[in-house]
Amino acid sequence: GESVGLHLPTLSVQEGDNSIINCAYSNSASDYFIWYKQESGKGPQFIIDIRSNMDKRQGQRVTVLLNKTVKHLSLQIAATQPGDSAVYFCAENSYTGGGNKLTFGTGTQLKVEL
Amino acid sequence: DTAVSQTPKYLVTQMGNDKSIKCEQNLGHDTMYWYKQDSKKFLKIMFSYNNKELIINETVPNRFSPKSPDKAHLNLHINSLELGDSAVYFCASSPLGGNEKLFFGSGTQLSVL
Repeated sequence: GESVGLHLPTLSVQEGDNSIINCAYSNSASDYFIWYKQESGKGPQFIIDIRSNMDKRQGQRVTVLLNKTVKHLSLQIAATQPGDSAVYFCAENSYTGGGNKLTFGTGTQLKVEL
Repeated sequence: DTAVSQTPKYLVTQMGNDKSIKCEQNLGHDTMYWYKQDSKKFLKIMFSYNNKELIINETVPNRFSPKSPDKAHLNLHINSLELGDSAVYFCASSPLGGNEKLFFGSGTQLSVL
């Protein structure tokens, strides 16, 4: 299934299916992007990142795609598992005088149905 | 051996009180941050400190005063708490330099009654 991250939408997928979570970013000058996973009662946890000189990066069961032309990021999760249930955030980074400033998207709630 | 730890986990207090949240990181990072997450899960940066020096202040009310006694600690003091301050506050850290991922603590749920 697919989702666009607005107003914390919910994406429901069956266990074992692939998930696609989409994100639009705002700053065309951003050159570093991160996906975070946040489980209930916990802080955001790093999943995968990508720099603007790439358009695809793969991790374990996760792939991030970057389309700079339309300022769009997506996170693909293969063979979604119950443990993947969480809120997923994309974030774009700007580096200002010694500090990284991560600007987060609104998040997407992923629910994995057994 | 938690990388970024913040205390307390929960904080319930009355309007008008002053409270503090503490944060410590043992990752050897030079930069620390405070983020606020509202009831709709929206995460927004409040402050960042680089080796005890304030780098980013995102137009946060001056009732919020971060203090960094050393580069491993960044505490957040809030004066005259208001109902709208109720949120989850996250501390984070990152290595020095551009485009580095942030490591987050587990959050402090602040409820102002």
